[in-house]
Amino acid sequence: ETGVTQTPRHLVMGMTNKKSLKCEQHLGHNAMYWYKQSAKKPLELMFVYNFKEQTENNSVPSRFSPECPNSSHLFLHLHTLQPEDSALYLCASSPSLLSGGATDTQYFGPGTRLTVL
Amino acid sequence: KNQVEQSPQSLIILEGKNCTLQCNYTVSPFSNLRWYKQDTGRGPVSLTIMTFSENTKSNGRYTATLDADTKQSSLHITASQLSDSASYICVVRGGSQGNLIFGKGTKLSVKP
Repeated sequence: ETGVTQTPRHLVMGMTNKKSLKCEQHLGHNAMYWYKQSAKKPLELMFVYNFKEQTENNSVPSRFSPECPNSSHLFLHLHTLQPEDSALYLCASSPSLLSGGATDTQYFGPGTRLTVL
Repeated sequence: KNQVEQSPQSLIILEGKNCTLQCNYTVSPFSNLRWYKQDTGRGPVSLTIMTFSENTKSNGRYTATLDADTKQSSLHITASQLSDSASYICVVRGGSQGNLIFGKGTKLSVKP
């Protein structure tokens, strides 16, 4: 295991539902990330948090709302999603914001498989 | 445009055989290149990371090469095992903002 856990592992929701994804890292890292992984597409970075502060939002629709109460926990609140939002949502953490050096490493959780009906 | 292209899209090999996965990129400027292995139902796990000055790096039966002049990298798997069945993702860090640019991955299936 990588030290990053995600719950739930699978989620099926209707377009009018409200749900939340949870990510927890036990590595003492300060940076956390949300990614979306769709079939046959590259990973898409959604949000970046550093010391609980959002540092990056890659034009993500407002129906996705992140929350980072502390450096160990990251949530993704979902509401009025669309079927095209069905994907694997991956959380990752790193000791600090990636700087481009050889020791840059992100540790990924197992993901939440989301299906929107 | 900064892009990472991986080939083949999918590959089936017999257990014990070797294989090579390719990654071509157009990212500039270049910081580093990383190969990830992603098992089904799991998140990606880093295999190797290579910077501009590194040509080859090994991690057990995995050997990555980098040619910064031609902007190509390969991941060679020796004596494949059933547990090597996974998606292999190439990620390049670079561009004017130092972003991570992900390839779509190569899905490898190792058959007995």
